[in-house]
Amino acid sequence: KAGVTQTPRYLIKTRGQQVTLSCSPISGHRSVSWYQQTPGQGLQFLFEYFSETQRNKGNFPGRFSGRQFSNSRSEMNVSTLELGDSALYLCASSPRAGFNYGYTFGSGTRLTVV
Amino acid sequence: DQQVKQNSPSLSVQEGRISILNCDYTNSMFDYFLWYKKYPAEGPTFLISISSIKDKNEDGRFTVFLNKSAKHLSLHIVPSQPGDSAVYFCAATTQLTSGTYKYIFGTGTRLKVLA
Repeated sequence: KAGVTQTPRYLIKTRGQQVTLSCSPISGHRSVSWYQQTPGQGLQFLFEYFSETQRNKGNFPGRFSGRQFSNSRSEMNVSTLELGDSALYLCASSPRAGFNYGYTFGSGTRLTVV
Repeated sequence: DQQVKQNSPSLSVQEGRISILNCDYTNSMFDYFLWYKKYPAEGPTFLISISSIKDKNEDGRFTVFLNKSAKHLSLHIVPSQPGDSAVYFCAATTQLTSGTYKYIFGTGTRLKVLA
């Protein structure tokens, strides 16, 4: 079956712009989580959506937001981009919310802010 | 506050030998511990996990050990193969008051297996 699909794979934006990243989870998975990966910081949790509702939220500023649609696809939006937002953004899906076991991750979207 | 720490950013091992990746944590309430492997340009792949009520879990060449008193987790790969060269992340889950779980990842250790 198809894995977790993230689009686009690469993105270059300038400071002050906004960006929207997309994630399609594995069919049947209803929970989608977003992570930011930067060198030396590991994977930092952004938020988790389940049934179109945000269930958990990490420690990121309000410029980072997301949403989930009825078909479980999710989008993440970052407004007023800063240079420090350059990172690999990963999406992970799981069958249910607050999953305790192995997530399935997408390949990520590499965002570069110049 | 980094609750899950991987203090070795990199590790090199000869092919055929044992690779030992370490992870320390601070929160004694963690329920589950997991290891993920990540190749460049790919998302992390779930490798193996262990419940906090166990001290060992084995899956083929991969074994995870949990020492709760030391708050220490390790992943052993025996024998190591060049294809094991990747970044390894340990992760821990903790139950929130809402009843859901939250993942906390370490910063990763880059393993290089030399042929």
